[in-house]
Amino acid sequence: TQLLEQSPQFLSIQEGENLTVYCNSSSVFSSLQWYRQEPGEGPVLLVTVVTGGEVKKLKRLTFQFGDARKDSSLHITAAQPGDTGLYLCAGLFYNQGGKLIFGQGTELSVKP
Amino acid sequence: KAGVTQTPRYLIKTRGQQVTLSCSPISGHRSVSWYQQTPGQGLQFLFEYFSETQRNKGNFPGRFSGRQFSNSRSEMNVSTLELGDSALYLCASSLGVAGVETQYFGPGTRLLVL
Repeated sequence: TQLLEQSPQFLSIQEGENLTVYCNSSSVFSSLQWYRQEPGEGPVLLVTVVTGGEVKKLKRLTFQFGDARKDSSLHITAAQPGDTGLYLCAGLFYNQGGKLIFGQGTELSVKP
Repeated sequence: KAGVTQTPRYLIKTRGQQVTLSCSPISGHRSVSWYQQTPGQGLQFLFEYFSETQRNKGNFPGRFSGRQFSNSRSEMNVSTLELGDSALYLCASSLGVAGVETQYFGPGTRLLVL
């Protein structure tokens, strides 16, 4: 059973466009993390959100944690080719014994 | 500080064989987690070790096993390989509790089972 639904799975946009990636669950997260993975490398942590309603910004990336702590979003403003990669959300659930559960990932391609 | 290293980086095996993958965590990190990444299933948690003890386990068959040594280095073993075991195996280390503290991933070992 997939506890974490991530959408969209694939996204191909032009440089300069904005985009949003969503991460949803029917269960409450104790915390949620966003990662970025490039080909041939392991995922790299971008941000951790813990408090419901929390918003964090990392340059052109904005991360939001839902008030009920069941969903999160990643918004990229004015995407650049360097943003290309696989974006993964990962949740820590209260009833999963401390295991990080990853979403399927969003494959983002930003064309110049 | 050196990052997480995994060896080997690439491996080709045939069905029925067994394989051992190695992970060296960042110096000072005591938690090591293993994940399997495939296009169909995404990134799935295998197990986590902390101070030589398995602290958490995912939903994988008993053919998948692991261990951690006193220097925090970890190995995972897959016996009786199946075609479906072809995947990228990622190791991640953290100071303490994976998910609460930042996990640092290695580049992975890409396993192909023929």
